[in-house]
Amino acid sequence: NAGVMQNPRHLVRRRGQEARLRCSPMKGHSHVYWYRQLPEEGLKFMVYLQKENIIDESGMPKERFSAEFPKEGPSILRIQQVVRGDSAAYFCASSPGLPGQGVSEQYFGPGTRLTVT
Amino acid sequence: SQQGEEDPQALSIQEGENATMNCSYKTSINNLQWYRQNSGRGLVHLILIRSNEREKHSGRLRVTLDTSKKSSSLLITASRAADTASYFCATAPKDSNYQLIWGAGTKLIIKP
Repeated sequence: NAGVMQNPRHLVRRRGQEARLRCSPMKGHSHVYWYRQLPEEGLKFMVYLQKENIIDESGMPKERFSAEFPKEGPSILRIQQVVRGDSAAYFCASSPGLPGQGVSEQYFGPGTRLTVT
Repeated sequence: SQQGEEDPQALSIQEGENATMNCSYKTSINNLQWYRQNSGRGLVHLILIRSNEREKHSGRLRVTLDTSKKSSSLLITASRAADTASYFCATAPKDSNYQLIWGAGTKLIIKP
């Protein structure tokens, strides 16, 4: 059973370009989370999705950022017109259920390191 | 917003010693989880402790939870160089059935 997969692992974009980050959850997991991490800092929640639904995007900037988790295929985090401040590590995690019910941990991918030049 | 706070921010000990990290939080929780992150990599789940549990063990790891003080501790016994990593606590608040709230982490360095 493959773990959570993210690609690309490293992404370099010039200011103004679009960044597209992909995440394939673990087999059987229908809950996907995206987090952002700056160097030497903890994780910042961005968005929580289930298949075809955005459940909570309260941690995601309202402009330039969007996320989807289609019925088929990976979850996508898209950042349009990137700026230098978007440089960070972006982690995806998947879960088999609802962690708030006290039974589920999250399984993390290796992350995508975005560098905006 | 981040509610978990790990203490200390950084810890450096000799191999073989025990390492203790603490986590404090603010709201009522369903469970509390500890994760490890090796430099530049994704996080790995270590242990989950439910709000009605007081202590849990997994190998060399021992986690305690004191809901009256809203705090948890992670003890790593007989530390090894491979334990060098950042350790994060994450709480699952009672008023949310899906969110985990993350602390900023403790950076642990084990000196050989």
